[in-house]
Amino acid sequence: DTGVSQNPRHKITKRGQNVTFRCDPISEHNRLYWYRQTLGQGPEFLTYFQNEAQLEKSRLLSDRFSAERPKGSFSTLEIQRTEQGDSAMYLCASSAHRTGGQETQYFGPGTRLLVL
Amino acid sequence: AQSVTQLDSHVSVSEGTPVLLRCNYSSSYSPSLFWYVQHPNKGLQLLLKYTSAATLVKGINGFEAEFKKSETSFHLTKPSAHMSDAAEYFCVVSDPPGGSYIPTFGRGTSLIVHP
Repeated sequence: DTGVSQNPRHKITKRGQNVTFRCDPISEHNRLYWYRQTLGQGPEFLTYFQNEAQLEKSRLLSDRFSAERPKGSFSTLEIQRTEQGDSAMYLCASSAHRTGGQETQYFGPGTRLLVL
Repeated sequence: AQSVTQLDSHVSVSEGTPVLLRCNYSSSYSPSLFWYVQHPNKGLQLLLKYTSAATLVKGINGFEAEFKKSETSFHLTKPSAHMSDAAEYFCVVSDPPGGSYIPTFGRGTSLIVHP
């Protein structure tokens, strides 16, 4: 399978704990995106990388959230001191960006987080 | 600023009848538009995309969508629904090249298909 993969698929944690999610994009894709999706809503943009550079962050991404893509390949999203409001599906997507060209994002299956 | 409105939160059809999922967008540019489908416990899958070529776009599984600039619409249609089409559908707008590429998703339309 050469699609976008995410691990773990499910995570249950207690309020106040830290969690980390991993995303492995399609290998030749230079852009990687993180989204959050809550029940009954469409995905909301959190942040994205071009190669290893984090180019934009949403106001939704509080100080407790941090994302990295150290070698321009896989990415991690860490949530510190989790709160019940962080419970959601966290989606990763990747794309092949070319200057002046159109791009299409391909999504992973998501990591479902439940904070008790 | 860009935005997208999916006019129906739920659409219910009988198997074999036509499907219409409505989407209106707002963009300061000539945007790229997408439809994605999300089956339960599955990732978002691209159905089709409009990128300023033909206004009638054909996608996978018999779906198609027509870009109407005058109506700022990008409705998704299928002539005959199948039980396997039951899923959540998202309309997405994104700025064209030179924009931020940050897509904006609609809230989704749940398609229910009755036998």
